[in-house]
Amino acid sequence: DTAVSQTPKYLVTQMGNDKSIKCEQNLGHDTMYWYKQDSKKFLKIMFSYNNKELIINETVPNRFSPKSPDKAHLNLHINSLELGDSAVYFCASSQVDRTTWPSTFGSGTRLTVV
Amino acid sequence: GDSVTQMEGPVTLSEEAFLTINCTYTATGYPSLFWYVQYPGEGLQLLLKATKADDKGSNKGFEATYRKETTSFHLEKGSVQVSDSAVYFCALSNFNKFYFGSGTKLNVKP
Repeated sequence: DTAVSQTPKYLVTQMGNDKSIKCEQNLGHDTMYWYKQDSKKFLKIMFSYNNKELIINETVPNRFSPKSPDKAHLNLHINSLELGDSAVYFCASSQVDRTTWPSTFGSGTRLTVV
Repeated sequence: GDSVTQMEGPVTLSEEAFLTINCTYTATGYPSLFWYVQYPGEGLQLLLKATKADDKGSNKGFEATYRKETTSFHLEKGSVQVSDSAVYFCALSNFNKFYFGSGTKLNVKP
């Protein structure tokens, strides 16, 4: 059983399109995150939700909008995609409330904007 | 900038052998340090953490001590099992950014 699953694994799309990445965790965790890996050096946090409530919202373009229909899901919607949005996006979850370090990561979604 | 360096693998050990996987870091300020484990076909899972100097993180028989003087966070286990075979990642968190090492694959043979 996959603990944190995100789909799709790969996404290639044209500039200007709108796309969504879905994330689900079956661990019963209350906190979920989205990270962006710009290079192989680090993951930068974008958003964090605790039990459907937004608790971390780093400085990201407002074209990025997270949506949490329930505490097991945190989807990422991106409007008007730009070349610079190309990256690997990681979903994660944590059993500890309001912490900045996840306990479990998904396997990543590689987004390529052409 | 901040970074994490860990020993290259693979590391191959016999069951019940002692394990050390070295990890050193470079960071400004006071980072938190972590070890994550990735079992085959799964995502990264937090194994243990330490949030300040001299803290010792421990879980499932694994230990690591946050050494500020040597900027290290080496992972140790006294007696490994076949089920410990996985890839281990050292990580650092600083100012809401995560830096991962390149991972060390551990193979434990019966």
